[in-house]
Amino acid sequence: EDQVTQSPEALRLQEGESSSLNCSYTVSGLRGLFWYRQDPGKGPEFLFTLYSAGEEKEKERLKATLTKKESFLHITAPKPEDSATYLCAVQAGGGGADGLTFGKGTHLIIQP
Amino acid sequence: NAGVTQTPKFRILKIGQSMTLQCTQDMNHNYMYWYRQDPGMGLKLIYYSVGAGITDKGEVPNGYNVSRSTTEDFPLRLELAAPSQTSVYFCASSRQGAGEGSPLHFGNGTRLTVT
Repeated sequence: EDQVTQSPEALRLQEGESSSLNCSYTVSGLRGLFWYRQDPGKGPEFLFTLYSAGEEKEKERLKATLTKKESFLHITAPKPEDSATYLCAVQAGGGGADGLTFGKGTHLIIQP
Repeated sequence: NAGVTQTPKFRILKIGQSMTLQCTQDMNHNYMYWYRQDPGMGLKLIYYSVGAGITDKGEVPNGYNVSRSTTEDFPLRLELAAPSQTSVYFCASSRQGAGEGSPLHFGNGTRLTVT
């Protein structure tokens, strides 16, 4: 059974204080690892897709990296508007039609 | 560009009642999905569709039904509502399957309470 575990469950940072969120996964044949951002009362918003170990992607203050067992979402010099829940999801082997397996998310709060 | 639109935003049902959650997308995506999100839990896949006329079960399909008569619409039907179906329901669509790296585009959800 595919499993996705995110840590920490919650993280409170001061504005400008860099940190990393972790997503560890167990799947039979990773097809893709996805990061989403979810604001309160909204649906998840796509951030990144990573396909293979060693791959990195960046968007503004966020950088996602991937190893064979986990992914990290690094946030550099965060601002209060980066506060959200960050979700990690995987697509395992067997085709693209089965949807994604999601972790429970990391609730990130950036204090001014 | 509206993207994925879900209605209603909120609904309260009594045990045993039925309702349909509506989902429509204007991106001409073939793939559509229904997820539920419970507090402290990850999103769970209920049903998905790879195109009009084709649907399949996800991880938690019991108590739900779907249909896909058009590319745009993917309604979710609850026949006999139970308290365990209290949740936030998200509809999503993608151009290709997630295995091809195609990101899911989500609606803003329907918050359902069954009492």
